[in-house]
Amino acid sequence: GAVVSQHPSWVICKSGTSVKIECRSLDFQATTMFWYRQFPKKSLMLMATSNEGSKATYEQGVEKDKFLINHASLTLSTLTVTSAHPEDSSFYICSARDSSMGNQPQHFGDGTRLSIL
Amino acid sequence: DAKTTQPPSMDCAEGRAANLPCNHSTISGNEYVYWYRQIHSQGPQYIIHGLKNNETNEMASLIITEDRKSSTLILPHATLRDTAVYYCIALPYSGNTPLVFGKGTRLSVIA
Repeated sequence: GAVVSQHPSWVICKSGTSVKIECRSLDFQATTMFWYRQFPKKSLMLMATSNEGSKATYEQGVEKDKFLINHASLTLSTLTVTSAHPEDSSFYICSARDSSMGNQPQHFGDGTRLSIL
Repeated sequence: DAKTTQPPSMDCAEGRAANLPCNHSTISGNEYVYWYRQIHSQGPQYIIHGLKNNETNEMASLIITEDRKSSTLILPHATLRDTAVYYCIALPYSGNTPLVFGKGTRLSVIA
């Protein structure tokens, strides 16, 4: 089945640091990937839609200069949290769908837990 | 996208069938019903989806009413590992449409 891999799974860093999270589709190609954020005991919130070869589309209230998204290939999207602060601490999750096949569901990575000290 | 309504929580005895309801009374003709679950500290896991016919796979069965205004996810023999938050989402079939998560149903399987 379709597998989405995220890396790293857990990161702790100092305030002011930039952190890059990778999302890979391991056995399929994805022209579109999605990034979500989840705070404790809350549901997933869509942050942005990552489009291969073009600019990402951000949801209202998500700062595009704060959360940089790059989708340089059909199997890789990256989310960079720039100048991270404690309030950016959260669980970040990506999802993707096989673009080449019809009627395929989206699959999710295992998430990245980001802790900013 | 159609709004879905789910009970906030449910309990189920281990080994029994877990029946999770979802109301989607405003669903449109081109929207599928998707079910995902999220086990604590993991990414959501796809379970099943359907348009109007009942569906079954190795994980669960999906029963959609004839008017498509509601559906039920059935886990035939719940185990402790099925304890999770279950999300029902109505979504047009499109690769570029993101899943929008509500609050879901927290299913607790009890030994």
